[in-house]
Amino acid sequence: TQLLEQSPQFLSIQEGENLTVYCNSSSVFSSLQWYRQEPGEGPVLLVTVVTGGEVKKLKRLTFQFGDARKDSSLHITAAQPGDTGLYLCAARQRSQGGSEKLVFGKGTKLTVNP
Amino acid sequence: KAGVTQTPRYLIKTRGQQVTLSCSPISGHRSVSWYQQTPGQGLQFLFEYFSETQRNKGNFPGRFSGRQFSNSRSEMNVSTLELGDSALYLCASSLASRQATNEKLFFGSGTQLSVL
Repeated sequence: TQLLEQSPQFLSIQEGENLTVYCNSSSVFSSLQWYRQEPGEGPVLLVTVVTGGEVKKLKRLTFQFGDARKDSSLHITAAQPGDTGLYLCAARQRSQGGSEKLVFGKGTKLTVNP
Repeated sequence: KAGVTQTPRYLIKTRGQQVTLSCSPISGHRSVSWYQQTPGQGLQFLFEYFSETQRNKGNFPGRFSGRQFSNSRSEMNVSTLELGDSALYLCASSLASRQATNEKLFFGSGTQLSVL
């Protein structure tokens, strides 16, 4: 089972439109991260949210951490072609041995058409 | 400051062969993690090394192995390649001396492995 479920899987919109993508889980997290990956490159960290209900803004991107710290959303206002990419959410998962690893959702592939 | 460097960028192998991928972390970073990325499964955690010791391991068969050198550079090896091993292999480095909650990972551009 996937720890982090992202939706939608694919999204194709026109320049100037607004959009929201989601990252959901049945688990509670101490923090959650969002990354963006462009074709041919590795993921790049956009933001880390830590507190339940927290809202962080990065230019036209707004990130929200759910009150129960089980889910998060990313809202993009007036999308531009440069926003095209794979948006990934990630959270730490503790193993039985006590160590932690960063696990990722499968991502939302966003295409913004000019 | 140079980023995470992975070599080679592209690799084509045939079934049954073995392959070694290399990762040079950002200077000063002591933690290196490896991920496999495929369209169907997304990013899957392989293992993490810190100060030459494997600190964590994902659910991959023993054909996948890695190591880290004293200069923090890391290699991963896949033996007896299978068609399903075709993927983008990503390496990420971080500063953290222990696994912090909001530790930031810096990824390389990956090695695209194709197994024919």
